[in-house]
Amino acid sequence: GQSLEQPSEVTAVEGAIVQINCTYQTSGFYGLSWYQQHDGGAPTFLSYNALDGLEETGRFSSFLSRSDSYGYLLLQELQMKDSASYFCAVGDTGRRALTFGSGTRLQVQP
Amino acid sequence: DTEVTQTPKHLVMGMTNKKSLKCEQHMGHRAMYWYKQKAKKPPELMFVYSYEKLSINESVPSRFSPECPNSSLLNLHLHALQPEDSALYLCASSHLRGGGGNEQFFGPGTRLTVL
Repeated sequence: GQSLEQPSEVTAVEGAIVQINCTYQTSGFYGLSWYQQHDGGAPTFLSYNALDGLEETGRFSSFLSRSDSYGYLLLQELQMKDSASYFCAVGDTGRRALTFGSGTRLQVQP
Repeated sequence: DTEVTQTPKHLVMGMTNKKSLKCEQHMGHRAMYWYKQKAKKPPELMFVYSYEKLSINESVPSRFSPECPNSSLLNLHLHALQPEDSALYLCASSHLRGGGGNEQFFGPGTRLTVL
């Protein structure tokens, strides 16, 4: 089976940098993804790491260390609109499906 | 077109009703998914269709019946639901390249209330 752990809540101020960590246990690991979900909205894809290292997309970056079964999402120059829930999710070669972590609620304060 | 559409947006039904949720995508994705999401919880996988065939059923009660009439459409038929089935039902689609890590595109969801 798969299990993921991420912090339940993070608070930061506008303009700051925040890191959301995710540790996972899975068989047949096939990449770590990150999704953002605003209250009342649908999850939207942010990034995907299949190999070790850092992937950068604008203000968001994601990192993966497969040997440590660990990844993080880094959000820079925080804006109020970044207040949302962030989910890490692992892919599984056997099941061809994603398993989501429990989510981290990010509150950006002025 | 990078959109997944779902109808209806909201649904209220009694425990004896039969209703259906609909999902459509025109991105050429051959994998389609149903998720259930309770408030402040992650999406919980219910069903996966690959090439219009059911590939994963996460031990979902038979009162939920999925159907994939063609590569663009996905339905979820509901019958004799319980109040605890009230949730946001999300449809998603993705390509089938590689394993399960492909980007999934989610629809806006159907907010279901069972009375």
